[in-house]
Amino acid sequence: NAGVTQTPKFQVLKTGQSMTLQCAQDMNHNSMYWYRQDPGMGLRLIYYSASEGTTDKGEVPNGYNVSRLNKREFSLRLESAAPSQTSVYFCASRAGQGIWGNQPQHFGDGTRLSIL
Amino acid sequence: GESVGLHLPTLSVQEGDNSIINCAYSNSASDYFIWYKQESGKGPQFIIDIRSNMDKRQGQRVTVLLNKTVKHLSLQIAATQPGDSAVYFCAENNYGGSQGNLIFGKGTKLSVKP
Repeated sequence: NAGVTQTPKFQVLKTGQSMTLQCAQDMNHNSMYWYRQDPGMGLRLIYYSASEGTTDKGEVPNGYNVSRLNKREFSLRLESAAPSQTSVYFCASRAGQGIWGNQPQHFGDGTRLSIL
Repeated sequence: GESVGLHLPTLSVQEGDNSIINCAYSNSASDYFIWYKQESGKGPQFIIDIRSNMDKRQGQRVTVLLNKTVKHLSLQIAATQPGDSAVYFCAENNYGGSQGNLIFGKGTKLSVKP
């Protein structure tokens, strides 16, 4: 059981290049999330998808777009990369609120992205 | 290497001692709280959660305490081991958010001395 899988693990881009980060989960979860993690800033939500077919902005959406391709896959796109987007990007998924109340998010191991 | 640990509060403990990691949360209406462990080069790993109708919950070697009066959360790790060395994050649920959106703290680095 792989859980949440992110590709690639590392990437170096030049300013202005575009890039799509891939995320897939095999837990049949309804909700999926994209975060960025910067030193001293904790994790900040970029976009999320509460269920297949829906996406919404999080705290720091500028410069990014997302696609919920199907229930398993949620991609993050940088159309024109900027040095300020150098970060570690994490994808997460969650089963959904369900009858037992909130449930935790489960994370992949991240994509380390450097923009030169 | 991973730079997640820079500028973080650090707790240094001796192997075998108990550790207590504290977290102040921001929203008095938050109703769900989670502790995550993050090792270098890895994603956050779920440790334990607690709902606002509880003030204590125990897992294997870990206990989470919730004090809603002062908006304080703590994680206690019993008999700390070298494998517990990591950055620990608390997270609170965005009140009313059916999407389960979380707000994360900045983290505490736990260093275990053998």
